[in-house]
Amino acid sequence: GENVEQHPSTLSVQEGDSAVIKCTYSDSASNYFPWYKQELGKRPQLIIDIRSNVGEKKDQRIAVTLNKTAKHFSLHITETQPEDSAVYFCAAREEYGNKLVFGAGTILRVKS
Amino acid sequence: DAGITQSPRYKITETGRQVTLMCHQTWSHSYMFWYRQDLGHGLRLIYYSAAADITDKGEVPDGYVVSRSKTENFPLTLESATRSQTSVYFCASRSGGDSTEAFFGQGTRLTVV
Repeated sequence: GENVEQHPSTLSVQEGDSAVIKCTYSDSASNYFPWYKQELGKRPQLIIDIRSNVGEKKDQRIAVTLNKTAKHFSLHITETQPEDSAVYFCAAREEYGNKLVFGAGTILRVKS
Repeated sequence: DAGITQSPRYKITETGRQVTLMCHQTWSHSYMFWYRQDLGHGLRLIYYSAAADITDKGEVPDGYVVSRSKTENFPLTLESATRSQTSVYFCASRSGGDSTEAFFGQGTRLTVV
């Protein structure tokens, strides 16, 4: 089955700097890759996603890149703010499949 | 946000007891999922359901039972709770077809003593 690895497990950045979180997946049939943000004590919420027919997607300060050949995808946050502090999860799922497999998560701390 | 709700929010139970966690969604989503969240493991899939009366195992199903007699409800039962089942449990749902986003409930923190 699918296996998703996520790095780093913790990341501290200065406010205004960029943050990058990387994930690799094992199943070449996976072609939907969402990123979820979970604030302390809250539920995970989708922040951005990408399908395999797209190499990059942006939404304001957040971008995701996908390299299907290498089976890895990354989350980029620019101009980080204290409210970006949270746990971020990547995930992978087959198109029309049922199982969404998550990475272990990255704790992002933005220091002001 | 009120579209998917879990109950109870917090539960303490003793080893060996049966406990049921409830999940209810108002969107008529086809798919429903149960995840457990543990430090260092992220979110691991326990069971999922593609429709009423259709369920299947995820990554960590041992010790859990699910049912789905109605589209809107997807209860998770721990038949004989163990300390290793102490965790935060999240229910999620999404609609079928090409729909992609899964929406999570607010979670249930379960402690087995």
